[in-house]
Amino acid sequence: EVQLVESGGDLVQPGESLRLSCAASGFTFGLHWMSWVRQAPGKGLEWVANINQDGSETHYVDSVKGRFIISRDNAKNTLYLQMDSLRAEDTAVFYCSRLRSFDFWGRGTKVSVSA
Amino acid sequence: VVLTQSPLSLPVTLGQPASISCRSSQSLVYTDGNTYLNWFQQRPGQSPRRLIYKISNRDSGVPDRFSGSGSGTDFTLKISRVEAEDVGIYYCMQATHWPPITFGQGTRLEIK
Repeated sequence: EVQLVESGGDLVQPGESLRLSCAASGFTFGLHWMSWVRQAPGKGLEWVANINQDGSETHYVDSVKGRFIISRDNAKNTLYLQMDSLRAEDTAVFYCSRLRSFDFWGRGTKVSVSA
Repeated sequence: VVLTQSPLSLPVTLGQPASISCRSSQSLVYTDGNTYLNWFQQRPGQSPRRLIYKISNRDSGVPDRFSGSGSGTDFTLKISRVEAEDVGIYYCMQATHWPPITFGQGTRLEIK
C-alpha cells in the first residue's frame, strides 16, 4: 500500500526557516519524480516544487524560488522541503505526491507563519 | 497553462446529475500522445483524492457515477447521480506542460 506521510510543519515567525519531510512507502521511491503541493487556508491547490529521481533536476513555482529547496534521500525513501525566509503568505498545508500522476496524497503538514 | 473551471459553485439536488467544466488555455496533449488532465475531489477536512486520470480513467474505488471526458482544451467531470458523500471541492489539474503544474480554481459542490 502506497503511503506518504508529511511532517515538520510548525508555527514560525516571518523570516524563519522550516524543513518539511515526506516519508514514502509502498512503492519504489527512487523511480519517481516527486512534488510538493500546498493549500493556503480556504484556498485552492498550488504546486510548489518538483524533483527528479536522483535529485539532479528541480523546479519551483516563482513565489518560492530562492527561498525553498526541494531534495530527497532515496536511501531513506524521504522527500524534503527546506523553507527559508518564510512569509505570512506561505501559511498553508503542504502535501507531497508523485509527479505526474498525483495518485496518492498524505494528510499534509501545516505551516503557519505569523508574528 | 491556465485552467478555468466552471461553475465555481454547484448546488445540486440529491440524485440529480452534476457537471463541471475545465478549460485550458492551450492544448493538453503531450508529445507522447497522452493528455495529463486529472480530476480531484477534496471532501471537507480531508486531503485531495484523485478521481480521474488522463481525462477519463477512473481510479480504483471511485464509484462509476463519476466520469471524465473531453479532449484538447475542453474537459468535463460528470456525476450521474449526486450523493451526500459527493459534497466537497473538485479540482482539475494538468501535468502536460510543466513547470508549473497547474490546478483549476476549484468547484464547490453542495446539496440543495
